[in-house]
Amino acid sequence: AQTVTQSQPEMSVQEAETVTLSCTYDTSESNYYLFWYKQPPSRQMILVIRQEAYKQQNATENRFSVNFQKAAKSFSLKISDSQLGDTAMYFCAFRIGSSNTGKLIFGQGTTLQVKP
Amino acid sequence: SAVISQKPSRDICQRGTSLTIQCQVDSQVTMMFWYRQQPGQSLTLIATANQGSEATYESGFVIDKFPISRPNLTFSTLTVSNMSPEDSSIYLCSMGLGNIQYFGAGTRLSVL
Repeated sequence: AQTVTQSQPEMSVQEAETVTLSCTYDTSESNYYLFWYKQPPSRQMILVIRQEAYKQQNATENRFSVNFQKAAKSFSLKISDSQLGDTAMYFCAFRIGSSNTGKLIFGQGTTLQVKP
Repeated sequence: SAVISQKPSRDICQRGTSLTIQCQVDSQVTMMFWYRQQPGQSLTLIATANQGSEATYESGFVIDKFPISRPNLTFSTLTVSNMSPEDSSIYLCSMGLGNIQYFGAGTRLSVL
C-alpha cells in the first residue's frame, strides 16, 4: 500500500527565515508524481510545487523548492524568505502514474505558522 | 489553471437529513474526485466519479451513504445522506487537468 508520512504536525518560522517541511512516502511503483499543497485558513487547496519521480533535478517555484531523494523516498519542501501569507497547513501528496485521473494520497499535514 | 465552483460553502444540518453538494468545473474532465477532510485532519478520498458510469468508492465509503452523480463532463454532485454528527467535515471536490489536481473551496458541513 502507498503511504505518505509527515512527521511534523506543527512548525513555526520567523518572517524572512527559511523553513523545511519533511515528507516521506512508501511505494513499490517507479512512475509517480509528488506534490505539495497549501491550505490556508480559507481552506482553498493550492498547489505549491510538483515533482515527477523520473526527474532527478529538484523542482523549484520561486521561494519554494524541494529536496527529492528517490532512494530514501523523501520529498521535503523548503520555503525561503518566509512571508506571513505562507501561514497555512501544508500537505504532501503522492499519485501513481502520469495520468491526472489517478487519486492523490495525502500525508497528515503540517501546520506552519510564520511569525512577524 | 482551472476553476472549480463548489456550493454550498457551508451548511448546518439536522441529523437524519441529507445535503447535496454541487461541483462545477470550467473544463471538460474525465474524472472528478470527492474528498472528506475531518476537522484538523488530512484529506481522505471518498470516491472517483467518471462520467457515464457508476462512481468508484474507497474502502469505508458506500453509495447508499454518499451517492454521487456525474451527468456530464463539467458537473458532479455528492449527497451526504441520513446525516449524523460524525459526518461533520469539509467536503472537497477535485479534478485533474494537465497532471495537476485542482480543488474546490470546500463545503463545511456541521450536523447537529
